[in-house]
Amino acid sequence: KNEVEQSPQNLTAQEGEFITINCSYSVGISALHWLQQHPGGGIVSLFMLSSGKKKHGRLIATINIQEKHSSLHITASHPRDSAVYICAVRRSGGGADGLTFGKGTHLIIQP
Amino acid sequence: NAGVTQTPKFRVLKTGQSMTLLCAQDMNHEYMYWYRQDPGMGLRLIHYSVGEGTTAKGEVPDGYNVSRLKKQNFLLGLESAAPSQTSVYFCASSHEWQGTEAFFGQGTRLTVV
Repeated sequence: KNEVEQSPQNLTAQEGEFITINCSYSVGISALHWLQQHPGGGIVSLFMLSSGKKKHGRLIATINIQEKHSSLHITASHPRDSAVYICAVRRSGGGADGLTFGKGTHLIIQP
Repeated sequence: NAGVTQTPKFRVLKTGQSMTLLCAQDMNHEYMYWYRQDPGMGLRLIHYSVGEGTTAKGEVPDGYNVSRLKKQNFLLGLESAAPSQTSVYFCASSHEWQGTEAFFGQGTRLTVV
């Protein structure tokens, strides 16, 4: 079983819809990251969370440490939000060996 | 501010050829990482470095070597490329290994035929 599971794997929605992408993890973590990857492009960090909630523009990320679950929400979705969204965790006590990644959620927003 | 720059962006190799991917960061970060991204899988760590002159193996190190002779550069080498190394490679850097965000390059799409 993967340590980081994302759902859904694929999501198609209409412009303006409220989007939720979920991430569950099975290990102790010191931080959780949400990343965005546009087609053919690089990866951009959206949020880093260790507790609670963060908001940036139309994006909101929440984390529940007890339930080992995080969600990424997009309000008033727009076609330019179409991308792959990746959840990644830094394992607590895991040392400097980077992040453990989910497989990503492929989001398409149709006009 | 360039951030993390990878070269080349695309490359096609024949089986058995060698090549080096270059990652350069201008943020004075201590930690640098090489990942590979394959369809249907999350990014996987190949090698990483916690500072100039240091390297360590990640999850999938076989067939790759790395060097960090200068703090700003992290090189990934393939001595004898194999079709199984066809992938998209990402370099990343961070100031600390925890508590700070990671910055990623644009990726290198490598095809081995």
